[in-house]
Amino acid sequence: AQKVTQAQTEISVVEKEDVTLDCVYETRDTTYYLFWYKQPPSGELVFLIRRNSFDEQNEISGRYSWNFQKSTSSFNFTITASQVVDSAVYFCAPSPANQAGTALIFGKGTTLSVSS
Amino acid sequence: NAGVTQTPKFRVLKTGQSMTLLCAQDMNHEYMYWYRQDPGMGLRLIHYSVGEGTTAKGEVPDGYNVSRLKKQNFLLGLESAAPSQTSVYFCARILRLAGGVGEQFFGPGTRLTVL
Repeated sequence: AQKVTQAQTEISVVEKEDVTLDCVYETRDTTYYLFWYKQPPSGELVFLIRRNSFDEQNEISGRYSWNFQKSTSSFNFTITASQVVDSAVYFCAPSPANQAGTALIFGKGTTLSVSS
Repeated sequence: NAGVTQTPKFRVLKTGQSMTLLCAQDMNHEYMYWYRQDPGMGLRLIHYSVGEGTTAKGEVPDGYNVSRLKKQNFLLGLESAAPSQTSVYFCARILRLAGGVGEQFFGPGTRLTVL
């Protein structure tokens, strides 16, 4: 069985601080995909990033970066120089590649509050 | 706009009433999903469809039925609403890439309250 853990329930930072959101995905599957979604106070779900289990290369895109380590099942997401508009709930959502329907398995989310 | 629309946006039902939530996509994607989101929780899969005329159960299917008569539309029905079905419902479509899984695009959600 797969298990997604976002251990941080809430994080509060001051603007311009860097913040890392943790996610651990426990699975016996060797092939899967990892997604991060953002849900701002308005309620919509916004796609942020997608990675596959074969690619452990870390990437940076603007103020976002992510660190995937398959050996520890961790898929962490970092926001550099946080802004008030980054305040939202962030969901880690793996998708087993060989599962019928390829639905997402959502973590419980981490609420990020950025104050000015 | 993720190309997914949901109708209605809000609804209040009394226990025992029935209703249908409509999800429509403006692309030609095969895969569509219904999730529910409860406070402090991530989304949980109710039902999904991998093509016109086909549906399957997800993690929390009890109390719901679905239909996919047309590729563009995925309907979620509550036959006899219960207070435990108070939730925000999200529909999603997915672009299944060759050799992989693309991102899911979500509708804006339907907030349902069952009294």
